[in-house]
Amino acid sequence: QQQVKQSPQSLIVQKGGISIINCAYENTAFDYFPWYQQFPGKGPALLIAIRPDVSEKKEGRFTISFNKSAKQFSLHIMDSQPGDSATYFCAASRRDSSYKLIFGSGTRLLVRP
Amino acid sequence: ETGVTQTPRHLVMGMTNKKSLKCEQHLGHNAMYWYKQSAKKPLELMFVYSLEERVENNSVPSRFSPECPNSSHLFLHLHTLQPEDSALYLCASSQGRSGPLNEQFFGPGTRLTVL
Repeated sequence: QQQVKQSPQSLIVQKGGISIINCAYENTAFDYFPWYQQFPGKGPALLIAIRPDVSEKKEGRFTISFNKSAKQFSLHIMDSQPGDSATYFCAASRRDSSYKLIFGSGTRLLVRP
Repeated sequence: ETGVTQTPRHLVMGMTNKKSLKCEQHLGHNAMYWYKQSAKKPLELMFVYSLEERVENNSVPSRFSPECPNSSHLFLHLHTLQPEDSALYLCASSQGRSGPLNEQFFGPGTRLTVL
């Protein structure tokens, strides 16, 4: 029940296309859903996060869509750029123990020029 | 130095060696973390310290021993490791260990290889 399942494992998109990464969770007590971006040789960095009181959050080209009833959330990268090539991790936690982030297994995104 | 720094960046050790990983955060945070990142597996939370007190220990083998002498420094002492312990070890910090906006800031990691 603590797992966060992430798909696909890898994704190749042409420049200018839309990248979509999906995550699903089981624990209904989760109320914080961040996405982290990791470049080779670097640690993960927070990209965008959402709480379940909204169904969508947009920051620039990055959008999180959240479906509480389906217990799913997804990251959409619009107008994908080669510089977006990285590994993306979804995660989930509870507000009262937000240090305990449960991460998905990651998606390696390659954006071709 | 800014953010979260980790040393060394790469470490190769034999199964009988003893070594230590070091992490330092320059963000004024009160919580620090050790994660293990293996290929094609989710990041695994190993230890959490909040105000120098260990608050999480995720059934990590005793061959990994954390130490947090103050809120800015975190160590991971390694001894008699196994080849399956080869991984990227990430340190992170955050303002606290609970609350609505508890963003974790990660260091670049130490790539550990156990021969």
